[in-house]
Parts: sequence; structure tokens; C-alpha cells
Amino acid sequence: EPEVTQTPSHQVTQMGQEVILRCVPISNHLYFYWYRQILGQKVEFLVSFYNNEISEKSEIFDDQFSVERPDGSNFTLKIRSTKLEDSAMYFCASSLLSAGNDYGYTFGSGTRLTVV
Amino acid sequence: SQQGEEDPQALSIQEGENATMNCSYKTSINNLQWYRQNSGRGLVHLILIRSNEREKHSGRLRVTLDTSKKSSSLLITASRAADTASYFCATATGANSKLTFGKGITLSVRP
Repeated sequence: EPEVTQTPSHQVTQMGQEVILRCVPISNHLYFYWYRQILGQKVEFLVSFYNNEISEKSEIFDDQFSVERPDGSNFTLKIRSTKLEDSAMYFCASSLLSAGNDYGYTFGSGTRLTVV
Repeated sequence: SQQGEEDPQALSIQEGENATMNCSYKTSINNLQWYRQNSGRGLVHLILIRSNEREKHSGRLRVTLDTSKKSSSLLITASRAADTASYFCATATGANSKLTFGKGITLSVRP
């Protein structure tokens, strides 16, 4: 069964450093998402990406965050200058069509980001 | 404000019993979806119910939707220890919308 692959599984970084989280969505999917989950808390939407541009972003997704789909297969989330409160599990997801068109998401296993 | 709110927050049952989890939401939706998350892992899509549907089944899962009450329930019948996980409801509120998740319910099934 097709999978969404995320790397690395765990990243530890110093506060103020830049991190790039990588995702390989399912190849024929058209919509891509990043969510995060602070330990024990709800799953929060960060950004959705369609047709090579951001289609929606949350208040969390400020100027420190950016996304790219550089080569048609990878989908990356960059945090320019990490803060302690960025420590969370980051999930990438993809879907063939949008959730509003009755499609579910396929999630990756996540990257646990620890900012120290 | 929270779009999806599940209850109870935690549920502990004996293997073989049925587990019922509820979700309420605030705005009109296109569909509602349920996901499972095993500890430290990604979310897995379980079932989707459209706004014009009232009940749906998939294996041991039964989901209902009451749009007049803006609520849904997920029933897992004949639970197994392997059903131990967190369960999230998520709503899509428009044609191009993303999913908005609730806080989740922690289900423990005792062997």
C-alpha cells in the first residue's frame, strides 16, 4: 500500500537553528499538508499546498515557516529560526483531492522535533 | 473555538466490550472523518461519513452523523487489545477545505 514517508524520524536542534523536515507524499496525490502535534495535545493544521502554491495556512504558520515542493516528489517544511515552543511532532499528509471533496488523508509517521 | 470536540477524553474498557466515542462540531460540514493514532505514530484514516449520510459501517466500525445536533459517534464493536489508541474526529467544512481535528480520545482496551 502506498505510504507517505517522512525523514528524519527524530531531529534535535539548537534554538535559533534552521531545520528542514522532509516528506515524500504518495505519487499521484495532488494535495499536501503539514500538521503538528505538541505532546499530548491536539493535531494542529499548519499549511496546505496545491498546484505548487500554498492554498491555506494557519496563524501558526508565520514568517519563520516555509514549504517547498522542489522536485515534484519531495515536500519540505523549513523552520528558519527554531524556538523552544516549536518542539512537537510534525506530520506530513497527502490526499488525492481535497478533504472537502470527500477524500481522506494519508499521514506519514511524523518527525519528532526537539528544540533545546 | 474548537471545531471538533470528542468525548469522553479517555475511555477504558474490557476486551470484547463495545467502545463508543462521540464528537461534536460547531459549523456546517461537507464530511466528518475518524482517524486512529497509535502512540508516537501517524494518524490512520478509518472512515468518512458525508453530510448527507446518517450511518456508515466498515468492519467492526460503525459511525453515525446527526447534522441537526452537529454530532457524530464512532462505535467499535467487540473491542480488542489492539484497538488501544487515540481516536480523532476531523471535519471538512468546504469543498476546498483542509481537515480540522479534535483533541482526541484515548481508548484503552484491557485484555
